[in-house]
Amino acid sequence: AQSVTQLGSHVSVSEGALVLLRCNYSSSVPPYLFWYVQYPNQGLQLLLKYTTGATLVKGINGFEAEFKKSETSFHLTKPSAHMSDAAEYFCAVRTSGGSYIPTFGRGTSLIVHP
Amino acid sequence: KAGVTQTPRYLIKTRGQQVTLSCSPISGHRSVSWYQQTPGQGLQFLFEYFSETQRNKGNFPGRFSGRQFSNSRSEMNVSTLELGDSALYLCASSLNGLAGINEQFFGPGTRLTVL
Repeated sequence: AQSVTQLGSHVSVSEGALVLLRCNYSSSVPPYLFWYVQYPNQGLQLLLKYTTGATLVKGINGFEAEFKKSETSFHLTKPSAHMSDAAEYFCAVRTSGGSYIPTFGRGTSLIVHP
Repeated sequence: KAGVTQTPRYLIKTRGQQVTLSCSPISGHRSVSWYQQTPGQGLQFLFEYFSETQRNKGNFPGRFSGRQFSNSRSEMNVSTLELGDSALYLCASSLNGLAGINEQFFGPGTRLTVL
């Protein structure tokens, strides 16, 4: 069965500091991996996704993630946090088998201090 | 281009009632997926419709149903409401569906409270 684990329900950083949000997955098929962001009272917005090819994926708003097959990880990073990055972040992976249902992690709340 | 719209944004119902939520996808998108988001269970896939046909279904009881119209608009229905159905219900649209592998565009959600 596929699953997604996001380590840390809350991550707190100072403005200008490195952002690192962790995501580990299990999947019995080649994974499709996603990071979404949810701002208060809004739906989710895609930050980036990995399908095949280059393992370092660049997304919007300066975020990027690296697919590491050996570690079954897809951690999200940003070199310098902005106050506007404060939001909930979700990692997702497609399920195995013939369906294309996404499984989401429980989310990580990013808190940015001035 | 207008985004995904969901109506109503907030809804209060009592146990045993039924409820219908509506979703209008981005123009040109043929697929609509529905999700339930709760603090306890997180974000869970309900079902996906593509060209008026249910393509995938998550692990939810039969009280949860949906449909899609020829204009791609979708409705979700929950019958015999339970307290545990209180959640944010999110709708997402995409060009060609297959929610697990393609980008989805989410609406702001409908906040359902069951009393």
